Amino acid sequence: GPKVLQIPSHQIIDMGQMVTLNCDPVSNHLYFYWYKQILGQQMEFLVNFYNGKVMEKSKLFKDQFSVERPDGSYFTLKIQPTALEDSAVYFCASSLRDNSYEQYFGPGTRLTVL
Amino acid sequence: SQWGEENLQALSIQEGEDVTMNCSYKTYTTVVHWYRQDSGRGPALIILIRSNEREKRSGRLRATLDTSSQSSSLSITAAQCEDTAVYFCATDASMGYKLTFGTGTSLLVDP
Repeated sequence: GPKVLQIPSHQIIDMGQMVTLNCDPVSNHLYFYWYKQILGQQMEFLVNFYNGKVMEKSKLFKDQFSVERPDGSYFTLKIQPTALEDSAVYFCASSLRDNSYEQYFGPGTRLTVL
Repeated sequence: SQWGEENLQALSIQEGEDVTMNCSYKTYTTVVHWYRQDSGRGPALIILIRSNEREKRSGRLRATLDTSSQSSSLSITAAQCEDTAVYFCATDASMGYKLTFGTGTSLLVDP
């Protein structure tokens, strides 16, 4: 089936540094999402993105977070500066239409902030 | 705010047994998604049931939805070892823009 790719699979950085997580969504999908999962806890919605704009973001999407998809390439999540509590697995997802309901998820990027 | 929650966090069964996982949610949803997540992978949708459906089947999977009690269940018939995974329910009150996941049920199927 359709695949969402995420790069890198693991990232270890020092607190205060910037990190960019990359997502290669399904090629004809139009809606993009980031979710955050702390070990042992449920996955939580961060943000969704359509037509070059953020449609909705949760309270977890702090001011230090930003998303973009320049020129239809990777859909990225940037955290600048990072904090210890940003350590988690970040999942990217994409969907074809807003009411298609099915979101396709990538394998996740495990971010460790030291 | 909306949330989804499994009532059990870990289940261990023998191959060939049937199993049911439950999910309850607090606020209105247009659809309940059931995802499975294998180790090291992202969630994959396995069955989706809409608010106007009471039951949905897909192979050995059966999902139910009771909007009056705000609960859903996922049943697997004759479980196989390859059904070992974490299963999540997710609710969707925003027409597909955002999913709210439960905490998940870790299912282990022993041979």
